Amino acid sequence: QQQVKQSPQSLIVQKGGISIINCAYENTAFDYFPWYQQFPGKGPALLIAIRPDVSEKKEGRFTISFNKSAKQFSLHIMDSQPGDSATYFCAASIGGYQKVTFGIGTKLQVIP
Amino acid sequence: KAGVTQTPRYLIKTRGQQVTLSCSPISGHRSVSWYQQTPGQGLQFLFEYFSETQRNKGNFPGRFSGRQFSNSRSEMNVSTLELGDSALYLCASSFGQGISDTQYFGPGTRLTVL
Repeated sequence: QQQVKQSPQSLIVQKGGISIINCAYENTAFDYFPWYQQFPGKGPALLIAIRPDVSEKKEGRFTISFNKSAKQFSLHIMDSQPGDSATYFCAASIGGYQKVTFGIGTKLQVIP
Repeated sequence: KAGVTQTPRYLIKTRGQQVTLSCSPISGHRSVSWYQQTPGQGLQFLFEYFSETQRNKGNFPGRFSGRQFSNSRSEMNVSTLELGDSALYLCASSFGQGISDTQYFGPGTRLTVL
């Protein structure tokens, strides 16, 4: 049973374009929603995170949008660059890093 | 500051054997979590240790176990290996368990079961 549904599983975006990855969750007890970036051969690295009392959080070219009533959240990568090519995971947890539930992942390829 | 280290990086075992994986967290970190990553299931939480105590456990069979030592280093053990246990096993550490404690992942141990 996948508690965090992520789409699409793969994404190809032109350099300079906007990459959008969507996630939906079921458990309303989740109160922390991090996004991770993983390059081949490396472990995931925290990219940006949001709590449900905030509707949007921006860090540089990365923005999380959060819709609590719809139980959905998304990652927008503005001005996508080839160096952004990686697998992105949305995740959710209750009270921090206890028992984090991950989405299936989105493999992003940014082409020149 | 050195990152999370995992040993070995690659491992090949046969069905029925057991395996022990090791994780050294970032110095000063007391929380260590383990995850299994496979193409089909993605990243799945195995268990989390804080100050030598298992605080949380995922939905894995009892063949998967772990422990944490007084220096925060952690090991996980898988007994009676099955083909489906082939995966990348990731360890992550954080100073604490709270939301403000960033979790740092190691590079993983790639386990292949033949």
